[in-house]
Amino acid sequence: DIQMTQSPSSLSASVGDRVTITCRASQSINTYLNWYQQKPGKAPNLLIYTASNLRSGVPSRFSGSGSGTDFTLTITSLQPEDFATYYCQQSSSAPHNTFGQGTKLEIK
Amino acid sequence: EVQLLESGGGLVQPGGSLRLSCATSGFTFNNYAMSWVRQAPGKGLEWVSTISARSSKTYYADSVKGRFTISKDNSKNVVYLQMNSLRPEETAVYFCAKDASYYEKWGQGILVTVSP
Repeated sequence: DIQMTQSPSSLSASVGDRVTITCRASQSINTYLNWYQQKPGKAPNLLIYTASNLRSGVPSRFSGSGSGTDFTLTITSLQPEDFATYYCQQSSSAPHNTFGQGTKLEIK
Repeated sequence: EVQLLESGGGLVQPGGSLRLSCATSGFTFNNYAMSWVRQAPGKGLEWVSTISARSSKTYYADSVKGRFTISKDNSKNVVYLQMNSLRPEETAVYFCAKDASYYEKWGQGILVTVSP
């Protein structure tokens, strides 16, 4: 199985900050990497697909990059509604997809 | 609008069975694979099972293979997950998801509690 490792596991930031979350795959996954946001008690919500494609309706302050084994999710100018947990997910071995362990973004 | 709604969860004893349903609307159901993903309390996301668009292929995580069965009724736009021989560690919220390699739409989730 392809293992996905996110860092950091948690992150404190302030409204208006720029934050970056990293996701590393245990082997090359090309650009088969997706990002989700999950708020407490809610289902995950797709933000970015195939590494860098912004889902329609997702604010442009979210962006993704990377290929191979190393990927990043960047949020510029954090808004109050962005405080949530973020997961990466590889689909290189679809449908046997695997997720990172999550990064909890908290208000400083 | 795409909608997915899970049902069938609840409390079950270890070794017991449950069948989850996911009713869908707002998209051409028989054109899409469907998946189940679960999340134990306070934990991350875990892929459980996927069924292909025309139901010809099914896939399972090793942890559930032989105990869980996924199926799809393209006439009713519903996907099911039959879960047998449930274990306490499978207590989780189970989500169904519209699968386009990425999970582009999720249901709200249904809680399954496996406990004596």
